[in-house]
Amino acid sequence: SAVISQKPSRDICQRGTSLTIQCQVDSQVTMMFWYRQQPGQSLTLIATANQGSEATYESGFVIDKFPISRPNLTFSTLTVSNMSPEDSSIYLCSVVLGFNEKLFFGSGTQLSVL
Amino acid sequence: EDQVTQSPEALRLQEGESSSLNCSYTVSGLRGLFWYRQDPGKGPEFLFTLYSAGEEKEKERLKATLTKKESFLHITAPKPEDSATYLCAVLSGSARQLTFGSGTQLTVLP
Repeated sequence: SAVISQKPSRDICQRGTSLTIQCQVDSQVTMMFWYRQQPGQSLTLIATANQGSEATYESGFVIDKFPISRPNLTFSTLTVSNMSPEDSSIYLCSVVLGFNEKLFFGSGTQLSVL
Repeated sequence: EDQVTQSPEALRLQEGESSSLNCSYTVSGLRGLFWYRQDPGKGPEFLFTLYSAGEEKEKERLKATLTKKESFLHITAPKPEDSATYLCAVLSGSARQLTFGSGTQLTVLP
């Protein structure tokens, strides 16, 4: 497994502001994934972040709203821009380790937008 | 399109009362079925991966089984610390991401 650290663990933000979430992994990984989990819902993939290239966004998610950086093989950030109450969710980063496609998750960032 | 349905949505058990959680799936070529445990406000914790029908995996009081249409997570003599949401996810041959079910919220009462 891997140690995946996310910061902040939780935040309460005002409408219209932006929040950047950091994800640090204790080993080098090719792909990092960002998920959103809205209250009472399951996990939805936002985007896949590869080092040295643009992130790949899933349907319904756009770069202007969720810009992602991936400066090296152990670190990524997700920014939630121009927030509204509908963005209140848990945001999770995750990585695949090994050849058996196991997905491991960070501890999550619980975001509340007022 | 891959689909995953978990049942029941919520389950309350007395300590020591064994039960099973169900994960039904529809995929085009299963590459793997994953079980996770999620505590409130935390990220999912990996439990098991199953790859083919008939496969079984065990960890402490948990046992996961797989058929061609569904997976079961059996909980034997549960304890209050087993209370959590259990998520099932599938990876199909045509997909590049996991498809998650909505989870079963398990509460074990002392």
